[in-house]
Amino acid sequence: GAVVSQHPSRVICKSGTSVKIECRSLDFQATTMFWYRQFPKQSLMLMATSNEGSKATYEQGVEKDKFLINHASLTLSTLTVTSAHPEDSSFYICSATSRGRATDMQYFGPGTRLTVL
Amino acid sequence: AQSVTQPDIHITVSEGASLELRCNYSYGATPYLFWYVQSPGQGLQLLLKYFSGDTLVQGIKGFEAEFKRSQSSFNLRKPSVHWSDAAEYFCAVAPPDQGGKLIFGQGTELSVKP
Repeated sequence: GAVVSQHPSRVICKSGTSVKIECRSLDFQATTMFWYRQFPKQSLMLMATSNEGSKATYEQGVEKDKFLINHASLTLSTLTVTSAHPEDSSFYICSATSRGRATDMQYFGPGTRLTVL
Repeated sequence: AQSVTQPDIHITVSEGASLELRCNYSYGATPYLFWYVQSPGQGLQLLLKYFSGDTLVQGIKGFEAEFKRSQSSFNLRKPSVHWSDAAEYFCAVAPPDQGGKLIFGQGTELSVKP
């Protein structure tokens, strides 16, 4: 099956710094990637939808200037948490799909654990 | 508003016993329906999905789910639970007209006792 990787798997940073998380589709071209965040013992909340070559679409309540998403190629999307604060500590998960349709398989990455001190 | 409800936050079953995890959705039309499993600190693995057709869907690891339109439900079942099934289970819906985005339920944590 298709594989999606995330890097890093775990990151600890100081408050005020920026952190970049990469999401890669390893063996298929992903026109659409999704970014979710998950707090402990809670569900996944969609943050944004990223389409290759265009601006990301953010869900209501998600600050686009804080969570910068770039989808520069068909195999790579990045999420940058700018000026991170402790409340941004969370598990960030990306997923990728080949065509961005509801019937397409959505492949999930293993997640990135962000801890902001 | 679109929503997915998993009424049971935590369920404990004995190994070998049957399992049913509940999922109800609220959406104007029938969305596409999914069940995912997540082990601690891991990403999600798709167990099964329903798009159309036969309302009883077979998935991996011996799981099945039944879509009931009249009840807006998509409950997950397994006849005999194994200790390795202990994990977090998420029901999700994909509205057909929203580019593949998924709306997840709150999740049900499954514990299996020997």
